[in-house]
Amino acid sequence: EAGVAQSPRYKIIEKRQSVAFWCNPISGHATLYWYQQILGQGPKLLIQFQNNGVVDDSQLPKDRFSAERLKGVDSTLKIQPAKLEDSAVYLCASSLAGTDTQYFGPGTRLTVL
Amino acid sequence: GENVEQHPSTLSVQEGDSAVIKCTYSDSASNYFPWYKQELGKGPQLIIDIRSNVGEKKDQRIAVTLNKTAKHFSLHITETQPEDSAVYFCAATSNSGYALNFGKGTSLLVTP
Repeated sequence: EAGVAQSPRYKIIEKRQSVAFWCNPISGHATLYWYQQILGQGPKLLIQFQNNGVVDDSQLPKDRFSAERLKGVDSTLKIQPAKLEDSAVYLCASSLAGTDTQYFGPGTRLTVL
Repeated sequence: GENVEQHPSTLSVQEGDSAVIKCTYSDSASNYFPWYKQELGKGPQLIIDIRSNVGEKKDQRIAVTLNKTAKHFSLHITETQPEDSAVYFCAATSNSGYALNFGKGTSLLVTP
């Protein structure tokens, strides 16, 4: 079974630029999560989707971050404009609907200069 | 919200010894406690989990114990091997569905 796919794996941008990350969850997984992992810390939830609806986006900095999952499968996370403190690994995870076991992708490492 | 504390932040053991990592949580409503292993440049990999209706769970060299009264849970790795070297994260469910709150991680080094 294929795991969670993410791209790109690495991205370097300058502050105030825009960037987008893509995630393809495990087939059949209705729930999708985006986490931010700053160096030396544990992942922190940004947003949770159930199919194409948002379940929890309370920790998403909505002035600069946005996410969508239009068809209930793939998802994109966008940052516009980026700040230095956005440098982190952005992890996507998925799970079956109504279950708590989450599987993570390899992450996208973002460096903002 | 849920707060998960993890100790120690670094742990060095000799091959063959045991390693123990401890976590505490604040939300008494939390009922799912997974442990993830993260190697350099990779995403977190689920290694074992436990639910609140169970006190202990074991999978080969790895075991997890849960004390709901004291709100703490621990990861035990026996007969450690160099390939166990990685960062280990504990987590607990939040009160907003199944999203996880993570500890800050423990960097485990197993020396031959």
